[in-house]
Amino acid sequence: GQNIDQPTEMTATEGAIVQINCTYQTSGFNGLFWYQQHAGEAPTFLSYNVLDGLEEKGRFSSFLSRSKGYSYLLLKELQMKDSASYLCAVRDWEQAGTALIFGKGTTLSVSS
Amino acid sequence: GAVVSQHPSWVICKSGTSVKIECRSLDFQATTMFWYRQFPKQSLMLMATSNEGSKATYEQGVEKDKFLINHASLTLSTLTVTSAHPEDSSFYICSANDGSSYEQYFGPGTRLTVT
Repeated sequence: GQNIDQPTEMTATEGAIVQINCTYQTSGFNGLFWYQQHAGEAPTFLSYNVLDGLEEKGRFSSFLSRSKGYSYLLLKELQMKDSASYLCAVRDWEQAGTALIFGKGTTLSVSS
Repeated sequence: GAVVSQHPSWVICKSGTSVKIECRSLDFQATTMFWYRQFPKQSLMLMATSNEGSKATYEQGVEKDKFLINHASLTLSTLTVTSAHPEDSSFYICSANDGSSYEQYFGPGTRLTVT
């Protein structure tokens, strides 16, 4: 099965940079996703990595190292609205086909 | 962008009754749809994968006779929670894939409360 680990909670201040780490173990890796989820709402897509390296999209960047089973989500210029849960999810062909397997999520609290 | 809707957005039912939740892809054909369940302060747990015209594939520990999934068309999948109990109270979220890209498009979720 999959083991997807990410910190439970993180705190940061407005304007700062925060890095949320995710480690995973899969047998048929086929992509890693990051989602943002506000309480009571569905997840919204942030990023997708399938090859090693950094993907940048505005204030958000995501990094992947397949050999290390490691990814991080980098949030720059934090805003209060970034307070949310951030979910790391992997696609594992051997275990779940095209479905996503989610980590437990990291709750980020941004303070002023 | 691709839009997935769910209906109802919230529902309250009595213990022992059945509830049907619909998931629709509004502007694309969804060859595959997924059903997830999320308990408070927990992450999304995959329940089943639904392919149009075939039986759903359930994850280990998910009772297929309790959670009936029907994917009769390329734009609609339904999840029926049969003989609901209070422990089935949860946030149910569907997602869909059009088969041509990596992205999954999530519906807004349905909050089920069983009294």
